[in-house]
Amino acid sequence: EAGVAQSPRYKIIEKRQSVAFWCNPISGHATLYWYQQILGQGPKLLIQFQNNGVVDDSQLPKDRFSAERLKGVDSTLKIQPAKLEDSAVYLCASSLEFGGFQETQYFGPGTRLLVL
Amino acid sequence: RKEVEQDPGPFNVPEGATVAFNCTYSNSASQSFFWYRQDCRKEPKLLMSVYSSGNEDGRFTAQLNRASQYISLLIRDSKLSDSATYLCVVRGRDDKIIFGKGTRLHILP
Repeated sequence: EAGVAQSPRYKIIEKRQSVAFWCNPISGHATLYWYQQILGQGPKLLIQFQNNGVVDDSQLPKDRFSAERLKGVDSTLKIQPAKLEDSAVYLCASSLEFGGFQETQYFGPGTRLLVL
Repeated sequence: RKEVEQDPGPFNVPEGATVAFNCTYSNSASQSFFWYRQDCRKEPKLLMSVYSSGNEDGRFTAQLNRASQYISLLIRDSKLSDSATYLCVVRGRDDKIIFGKGTRLHILP
């Protein structure tokens, strides 16, 4: 079974530029998550989708971050404009469902973003 | 009090020893609990779900103490390959998912 795919794996941009990340979850997984992991910290949930609806985006800095999952499958996360403090690993995860015994999250390899 | 708190470590433990660490959570209505493992520069992977009755998987035992609001992870007969960061994950009744900052474990030969 193919895992969660993410691209690009690495990105270096200058502050105030825009960047977009793509995620393709495991086939059949209804729930998709985007996390930000800063060096030395645990992942912080940015947004959670159930199919193509948003379940939780309370920690998404909406003035600069946006995310969509239009067809309930793959998803994009965008930062516009980027700040130095956005340098982090952006992890995408998916789970078969949310809650219950099928909520194990499977993570992609992440995108390492460096903002200069 | 932070929502999910872990001792960052590092725990430096000789191979073959037993090691245990805890994770405390502030929301008494929390519903689900997990331990994830994250190797250096890799993505997190589920180690164990933590059930009310506790659960064991080989050398690993997880326990939940609702009264004191913490979960624990015990590793017996530690191996060099157990060296990693162990992340505690809590999902509240409001379905909010929170990761701890992780506990770093180094198994020494």
